[in-house]
Amino acid sequence: EPEVTQTPSHQVTQMGQEVILRCVPISNHLYFYWYRQILGQKVEFLVSFYNNEISEKSEIFDDQFSVERPDGSNFTLKIRSTKLEDSAMYFCASHRVRTGELFFGEGSRLTVL
Amino acid sequence: DQQVKQNSPSLSVQEGRISILNCDYTNSMFDYFLWYKKYPAEGPTFLISISSIKDKNEDGRFTVFLNKSAKHLSLHIVPSQPGDSAVYFCAASGLKGNQFYFGTGTSLTVIP
Repeated sequence: EPEVTQTPSHQVTQMGQEVILRCVPISNHLYFYWYRQILGQKVEFLVSFYNNEISEKSEIFDDQFSVERPDGSNFTLKIRSTKLEDSAMYFCASHRVRTGELFFGEGSRLTVL
Repeated sequence: DQQVKQNSPSLSVQEGRISILNCDYTNSMFDYFLWYKKYPAEGPTFLISISSIKDKNEDGRFTVFLNKSAKHLSLHIVPSQPGDSAVYFCAASGLKGNQFYFGTGTSLTVIP
């Protein structure tokens, strides 16, 4: 069964460092998302991406964050200068049509020290 | 602004009984609702969805009910099994955006 894959599963970084989280969405999907979940809190929307551009972003997604789809398969989230409060599970998700179910990856745990 | 709310952080149910998880929303523009199940250290897994043109959708042991006038949906699991123990999130989206709004989750424990 097709699935969304994410790497790395866990990354530990020092505050101020740049981090890139990678996702390979399901191949025929057109809409891509990043969500995050800080430990014990709700799943929060960060950004959606369609047709090679950001279609919607939340207040969390400030200038420190960027997304890119450098080729036909990868979808990346970059955090330029990590802060302690960026520590969270980051989930990539995709779906083929806008009203379809979202398929989530297993998540990338980011720990900022 | 919490547009999707799950007011019960946890729920315990005996195996074989019904589990009812509740979700409320505030935005009347939401037209598509989903339930996800999440185990620790894993991504959310889709369970069942319902569009606003329906008031009930059933898939095996899982049934979602939508009450648009009350802006309320619920997930019924019958019969509950120990493997159902997980955190359940409801999510909603609307016509004008493709953002999904998630509730805070309800941790379900099914006691054998």
